[in-house]
Formats: sequence, structure tokens, C-alpha cells
Amino acid sequence: NAGVTQTPKFRILKIGQSMTLQCTQDMNHNYMYWYRQDPGMGLKLIYYSVGAGITDKGEVPNGYNVSRSTTEDFPLRLELAAPSQTSVYFCASSYRVRKTGPNYGYTFGSGTRLTVV
Amino acid sequence: TQLLEQSPQFLSIQEGENLTVYCNSSSVFSSLQWYRQEPGEGPVLLVTVVTGGEVKKLKRLTFQFGDARKDSSLHITAAQPGDTGLYLCAGVGPTDSWGKLQFGAGTQVVVTP
Repeated sequence: NAGVTQTPKFRILKIGQSMTLQCTQDMNHNYMYWYRQDPGMGLKLIYYSVGAGITDKGEVPNGYNVSRSTTEDFPLRLELAAPSQTSVYFCASSYRVRKTGPNYGYTFGSGTRLTVV
Repeated sequence: TQLLEQSPQFLSIQEGENLTVYCNSSSVFSSLQWYRQEPGEGPVLLVTVVTGGEVKKLKRLTFQFGDARKDSSLHITAAQPGDTGLYLCAGVGPTDSWGKLQFGAGTQVVVTP
């Protein structure tokens, strides 16, 4: 089982450039998430999706965009990269029967380390 | 501000010693989860605690959920170098309507041989 696959693993961007972080899951999970992780700060939610065609902002959405055209894919788009976006980005997925149903835990990808210079 | 406060931030111990990591909040949670993250990898779910006062054991790891469901602890007995990692607690906040997890900042545990 591949689980959650993120590409690329590493990337260096120049200020003002754009890029897309790819995320694919093969577990038929309905919920997907993007987090960023900075030292000593834990995981901060950027965007999330509760199903194909449905996305919403998390705690730190500024400078990012997402789309969810299929159940499997949830790409994260960075427009006009800034040094403040230097971070490690994690995609995760989970399955929920309904909005208030039990939380069975998240499956995370192995992350993308992004440096903006 | 963090909804979930973890302490200590960093813990370095010798192999064979015991350690406890804490996760505290002023909010009540329907459940809390613990994850372990190793360098270069994403977090991996260790356990979910649901009932106040619940104790779960996973080999040498013991997880406890506070009676009031506001706090949790992770105790490792006879730590081994393989226990090294970042331990994260996570829960769904009381005002969240979509069941999204919020994470604590984590406790970095280093076990030296």
C-alpha cells in the first residue's frame, strides 16, 4: 500500500516563483489536509477538503491555494513564494463516516521540505 | 496560542530510563490522539484515547486520558534508542464542526545508548 504520496521531497524556490506540491492517496479516504511544520511550532493546518470539489481554509491559508477534483488528489499551490513559506509541508488523509463521526486518525505523507531564497 | 500544550519541549535520557510526556488543555476533548514522528517522515498514529480515565498500553508505552478529558500523558518504560522521535498529541477542538485535528507543538525525545 502506498498510502499518502507527496512529491517532490525537496525543493528550493526563488522569491516570487510559484509551484505546486502534489499529494495522492490510494486509501479512498474522503478527508484530506495540508499542514506546515515549523520548528517548535507543531503542525498548522493550511487547507482541508471533506470530499471532491469541497475545500476550506485552515489556520494559515494566506499565500496558498488548493483544489480537489478527485478523491485521490489534493495539490497545494504556492503563488509568489516568500521566505515565510520556508517550511516542511505535510499532506494527510482520513476517513470519516459523517461530520461528527469517530476520528480514526490521520495518515500522513513523508513531507516536502521547501526553502524559499 | 496552542489549544494543546505539551511538556516538556525536549527530553534527553539514557537507554533503560523511564519518561513521561504531558499534553494539557483548558478545553474538553471527545478524544485525543498521540503520534510519533521520526526525522524526515510524517507523524504516525500511536493511539486514540476516548473515555475519561482510560489507560491504554502499547508494549512499553502507556497512554492515559484525564478524568475530565482535558489532558493526557504518555509514559515510556525502559526507553530504547528506537523510541527517539517527536511525540505529538492531537485533538478535535470543542468548536470545530468538521472534526479537524489540532496538534500540540510536540515533545522531542532523545534516547541515547
